[in-house]
Amino acid sequence: KAGVTQTPRYLIKTRGQQVTLSCSPISGHRSVSWYQQTPGQGLQFLFEYFSETQRNKGNFPGRFSGRQFSNSRSEMNVSTLELGDSALYLCASSYRPPIGTYSNTQYFGPGTRLTVL
Amino acid sequence: AQKITQTQPGMFVQEKEAVTLDCTYDTSDQSYGLFWYKQPSSGEMIFLIYQGSYDEQNATEGRYSLNFQKARKSANLVISASQLGDSAMYFCAMRGGFGNEKLTFGTGTRLTIIP
Repeated sequence: KAGVTQTPRYLIKTRGQQVTLSCSPISGHRSVSWYQQTPGQGLQFLFEYFSETQRNKGNFPGRFSGRQFSNSRSEMNVSTLELGDSALYLCASSYRPPIGTYSNTQYFGPGTRLTVL
Repeated sequence: AQKITQTQPGMFVQEKEAVTLDCTYDTSDQSYGLFWYKQPSSGEMIFLIYQGSYDEQNATEGRYSLNFQKARKSANLVISASQLGDSAMYFCAMRGGFGNEKLTFGTGTRLTIIP
């Protein structure tokens, strides 16, 4: 079974621009979560999508948004990029059965490394 | 709120030795899950092992085992017979709350295996 895929793997943008990152979950997984990893703040949860609906959101400004499509693929968008947005953005997918269990493991993709100049 | 604490920023271990990576947690949830992930220099987070808060036995996955002490709120990862390929960052993470997929991560431990 193919793992989580993320595109692009590397991205360079300038301040003020916007960027869209893509994530394709493991086949059969319906939940997609996004995380930002920086040297200063570590790994921080951005948001989770399930059945095309945002289910949970981390403490990030509104410039960070996302969506999920009917095939469970997800995109996240960052508008008006700032230097501090430079980070590794990780996507994770999980099965998330209708009745939640605590053994739901999230499997991560290789990440998209965003550099803002 | 949930919190994960990893107190070892870096560790050096001789190849073939066992190593224990420390993780303590804090949560008000009665039911929660604890995870360990490995992150090589390539960046991908690799799932290693899971422990549920109501699991009575410590989890094991090959060379990985999780030393779960609920009363002390600790979930240490034990790697037996370490290999050069084990050199990486290791993150302890927690998920809690029904229907909540959010993982809270610790700051990580950089493990270096010495030949």
